[in-house]
Amino acid sequence: TQLLEQSPQFLSIQEGENLTVYCNSSSVFSSLQWYRQEPGEGPVLLVTVVTGGEVKKLKRLTFQFGDARKDSSLHITAAQPGDTGLYLCAGHRFFTDKLIFGTGTRLQVFP
Amino acid sequence: DTEVTQTPKHLVMGMTNKKSLKCEQHMGHRAMYWYKQKAKKPPELMFVYSYEKLSINESVPSRFSPECPNSSLLNLHLHALQPEDSALYLCASSPSGGGFTDTQYFGPGTRLTVL
Repeated sequence: TQLLEQSPQFLSIQEGENLTVYCNSSSVFSSLQWYRQEPGEGPVLLVTVVTGGEVKKLKRLTFQFGDARKDSSLHITAAQPGDTGLYLCAGHRFFTDKLIFGTGTRLQVFP
Repeated sequence: DTEVTQTPKHLVMGMTNKKSLKCEQHMGHRAMYWYKQKAKKPPELMFVYSYEKLSINESVPSRFSPECPNSSLLNLHLHALQPEDSALYLCASSPSGGGFTDTQYFGPGTRLTVL
């Protein structure tokens, strides 16, 4: 059973478009991280959200943690080719040490 | 500085070879991790060291042997691997010894090919 489901699985868009990636679970998480990974490279941390309802902005990227701490979203405004990559959400459930990864969203932004 | 370094970047080995992967961080983090990632899949946890002691072993075959010589270094010794062990091996570290409040920072990975 996959605890963190991401949607969509694949996304192919033109430069300048907006998009939202969702990370959903039926379980409660103490925190959620979002990473971006390029082929053959390690995941790069984008943000950590720890408070239910929290919204964090990183330039054109907006991250939200659901009020019930069961879901998160990543919104990208005016996507650029440099945003291309695999986006992974990952989180810890309370009192567990293991980081649980989402299923991943592969984004391709065309010029 | 949130940098985790890994060497080598690429490794090709035969099934009878012995090799080691190395990971280093100088951020004073107290937990270090090994993950295995197959193509188009999320990373899978292999081992966790917390305060230089092995705290999690995810039932990894004994042909993979981790070692934590000190708080900055983590090795993964490889012996008698199988072709299905070919993958991207990722090292990560986190500040507070692991646990559900700790954020993990990943290295660039070692691409391992077993012939």
